[in-house]
Amino acid sequence: GAVVSQHPSRVICKSGTSVKIECRSLDFQATTMFWYRQFPKQSLMLMATSNEGSKATYEQGVEKDKFLINHASLTLSTLTVTSAHPEDSSFYICSARASGQGSQRELFFGEGSRLTVL
Amino acid sequence: DAKTTQPPSMDCAEGRAANLPCNHSTISGNEYVYWYRQIHSQGPQYIIHGLKNNETNEMASLIITEDRKSSTLILPHATLRDTAVYYCIIRVTGANNLFFGTGTRLTVIP
Repeated sequence: GAVVSQHPSRVICKSGTSVKIECRSLDFQATTMFWYRQFPKQSLMLMATSNEGSKATYEQGVEKDKFLINHASLTLSTLTVTSAHPEDSSFYICSARASGQGSQRELFFGEGSRLTVL
Repeated sequence: DAKTTQPPSMDCAEGRAANLPCNHSTISGNEYVYWYRQIHSQGPQYIIHGLKNNETNEMASLIITEDRKSSTLILPHATLRDTAVYYCIIRVTGANNLFFGTGTRLTVIP
């Protein structure tokens, strides 16, 4: 089946630094990818929708200048957490659906990236 | 998207069937029922989905009531590796993204 890969799986950084997380669709093209955030013992919360070749669409309450999303190709979307602070520590997960598939095919999720900000 | 209600947690003995209920009383005619699960510290995994007919695949069965206001995910022979949080999600036809509720934490007991 289709695979979505995230990198890095774990990252620890100092407060004030920026961290980039990559999301790749390995065997299919994805015009749209989604970024979720999950705090401990909570459910996944959609942060933004990443559209290839255009600006991302952010959910209410998510700062676009804080979480920069770039979807430069049909197989890669990146999430950059700028000037990270301890409260940004979370599990970040991306998902994608292959272009051209039927409307009810499943979304594929990455393995997630755990960010810890010291 | 229609809201879903799931019990927060359930236990199941290894080898027995696990029946996970989901209420979605406000579901619309063009909304599908999807089930995903999330094993600790991993991304969600697709299990099954359906509209109004019961569905079965290699992982599970999905039973949807005739009025479509509730459904049950059945894992026929639960194993320890099935311990996870199971999410029931209602998805509008053509919608790309998914909105996750709180799910049911299933613990399979040896």
